[in-house]
Amino acid sequence: EAQVTQNPRYLITVTGKKLTVTCSQNMNHEYMSWYRQDPGLGLRQIYYSMNVEVTDKGDVPEGYKVSRKEKRNFPLILESPSPNQTSLYFCASSRLAGYEQYFGPGTRLTVT
Amino acid sequence: GQQLNQSPQSMFIQEGEDVSMNCTSSSIFNTWLWYKQDPGEGPVLLIALYKAGELTSNGRLTAQFGITRKDSFLNISASIPSDVGIYFCAGHTDRGSTLGRLYFGRGTQLTVWP
Repeated sequence: EAQVTQNPRYLITVTGKKLTVTCSQNMNHEYMSWYRQDPGLGLRQIYYSMNVEVTDKGDVPEGYKVSRKEKRNFPLILESPSPNQTSLYFCASSRLAGYEQYFGPGTRLTVT
Repeated sequence: GQQLNQSPQSMFIQEGEDVSMNCTSSSIFNTWLWYKQDPGEGPVLLIALYKAGELTSNGRLTAQFGITRKDSFLNISASIPSDVGIYFCAGHTDRGSTLGRLYFGRGTQLTVWP
């Protein structure tokens, strides 16, 4: 089944404790992206990757890192999480930039 | 970043009614996408539009890519309770530094009364 998977689905952590949210797609898509969703603000793009080893900033990259060492995986790293990063995070992928993106199920992160 | 204006913010309708929502942008887009999100789930793609003037249907849903390339519309005919959710528009432009960006509207919350 073609899909985007994220892990974990739920995470509660404390300020400053490094964490990684994994994202994987099995559709051989070139393009992958991370979004956060907050009430009243909609979906905002954090980082995206046009291809392996190519990443770029979206609207809200501060406090996040990404890497794209292989085509199928695009992890999101929070080196020192803070409470304002409490949010619902989505990974998405598409064949190429500008084509329909398919979303993962989301990761709900709470930073206390 | 790019601002997409999606309206209305919310709609309360009776089952069987038709629904219309739209998105506008200040810039020209090459792609318009429409998504639906159920509570606790990721957005699910409904319709993708790639040409100005294009009109595409998916069951009871119909979406159009505005001829100015700065707007798009989504219509739902004969609404049913399972249409409840948040509908998002998203736009993409293939110009230069924004090639990798996808911009989202803030969503339309649809409630359907039986």
